[in-house]
Amino acid sequence: GAGVSQSPRYKVTKRGQDVALRCDPISGHVSLYWYRQALGQGPEFLTYFNYEAQQDKSGLPNDRFSAERPEGSISTLTIQRTEQRDSAMYRCASSLAPGLNEKLFFGSGTQLSVL
Amino acid sequence: AQSVTQLGSHVSVSEGALVLLRCNYSSSVPPYLFWYVQYPNQGLQLLLKYTSAATLVKGINGFEAEFKKSETSFHLTKPSAHMSDAAEYFCAVSGRAKAAGNKLTFGGGTRVLVKP
Repeated sequence: GAGVSQSPRYKVTKRGQDVALRCDPISGHVSLYWYRQALGQGPEFLTYFNYEAQQDKSGLPNDRFSAERPEGSISTLTIQRTEQRDSAMYRCASSLAPGLNEKLFFGSGTQLSVL
Repeated sequence: AQSVTQLGSHVSVSEGALVLLRCNYSSSVPPYLFWYVQYPNQGLQLLLKYTSAATLVKGINGFEAEFKKSETSFHLTKPSAHMSDAAEYFCAVSGRAKAAGNKLTFGGGTRVLVKP
């Protein structure tokens, strides 16, 4: 695609429900990153993949959060048993190569609201 | 551990005036440094990056930033603000370990308002 695509754009859910957030990176991009951005703050790293392999998940807050990228393209970030504190903008980014300073291309994000 | 501090969560400038956004970092080794811009309802876009070549880095839209190791700073400037510069700006740092990939640590952001 022309850019990083995230869906849904907005997600409102009730506390305790599971949610799945989708990221479709730029075609051919090897690396895919997930970030979370709380209101009034900068993005916070969650996890990243090179191809289908999850390289680093140290930023995932707890075991309710998981991510996968089974075919090395589309990725899903899943939050189980959502809590109000999970409300934030979830941003996906991709880069062409896994280099140290490769340019990241960010999607517009999914705004999650947990009621 | 790395960290980034952006001084001032909001900055107001007049059109045509100098834009100065401050960023200080903390890192045990010389890091890579970045400035990203976020327009409303859009994803973050890379403005410029420092990767240990020239300390004065020029980016898109007339922005530039200077890496000052002695001050652990990477302030962003633009000589003359334009209305289209109204956005939120984020400073970020990444390590140099290969395993770090492009794992960025962001500052809290500075929202720029441009007055006509």
